[in-house]
Amino acid sequence: QKEVEQNSGPLSVPEGAIASLNCTYSDRGSQSFFWYRQYSGKSPELIMFIYSNGDKEDGRFTAQLNKASQYVSLLIRDSQPSDSATYLCAVGDSGAGSYQLTFGKGTKLSVIP
Amino acid sequence: NAGVTQTPKFQVLKTGQSMTLQCAQDMNHNSMYWYRQDPGMGLRLIYYSASEGTTDKGEVPNGYNVSRLNKREFSLRLESAAPSQTSVYFCASATGGNQPQHFGDGTRLSIL
Repeated sequence: QKEVEQNSGPLSVPEGAIASLNCTYSDRGSQSFFWYRQYSGKSPELIMFIYSNGDKEDGRFTAQLNKASQYVSLLIRDSQPSDSATYLCAVGDSGAGSYQLTFGKGTKLSVIP
Repeated sequence: NAGVTQTPKFQVLKTGQSMTLQCAQDMNHNSMYWYRQDPGMGLRLIYYSASEGTTDKGEVPNGYNVSRLNKREFSLRLESAAPSQTSVYFCASATGGNQPQHFGDGTRLSIL
C-alpha cells in the first residue's frame, strides 16, 4: 500500500511569514509530485508540480524535492490570509507512464492577520 | 474556459437507487479520473481512463462502474447506492500519465 504522509495541522503562521509544508512518501520509485490547495467546500487546485530533485519556484511558492529522503515540501513566502486552506500533497506511482496519484490527507494552514 | 465540468453538483438518493455522475472536459486531455473524498480519508481514486477506450480500477472501485463515452466524457455509475457511498465525488483530467491533474467542482452525494 503506497503511503503519502502529511502533518494534519493546523499550521498557524503570521501574515508575511514563510509557511513550510512537508510530505513524505513510501514508494521510492515515484517520479512525479504535486501540491494542491483546497479551500473548504471547494475542489483541489493545482499549485505546483516537480519531477526532479532540487527546488522549483513559482512566484511566492517553492517546491522542494529530495528523492533520496523521499521528502517533498512546499514553501509559501510572504504568507497571506488568502493562503489559508488545506494543502494536499500527491505522488505519482512509480513506472513510466503511470497514471495513478496517491494523495496525502492534507495539512490545514491558517495565516493569522 | 470551462475546464472540467461535473453534473449534478448536489444529489440525494435513497438506498438502492441508481445514478450516473457526468464529467466532461474541454482541454483535449487524454486521461480522466474519478475520486471520492471523505473526511479523514483524503482523496481516493475510484476508476481512471488512461485514454479513450480504456478504463482501469483504482483504490476503491467496488460498487461503481464507469464509461469513457468519448475523449471528452467520463461517467461514473452507482448501480445500487449504499449509505457508505455518501461522499464528495471529483472528476479530474490530465494530458497523460505523471502529468498534473485538473479537477472539476465536485458532486456532493448523500445516500439515505
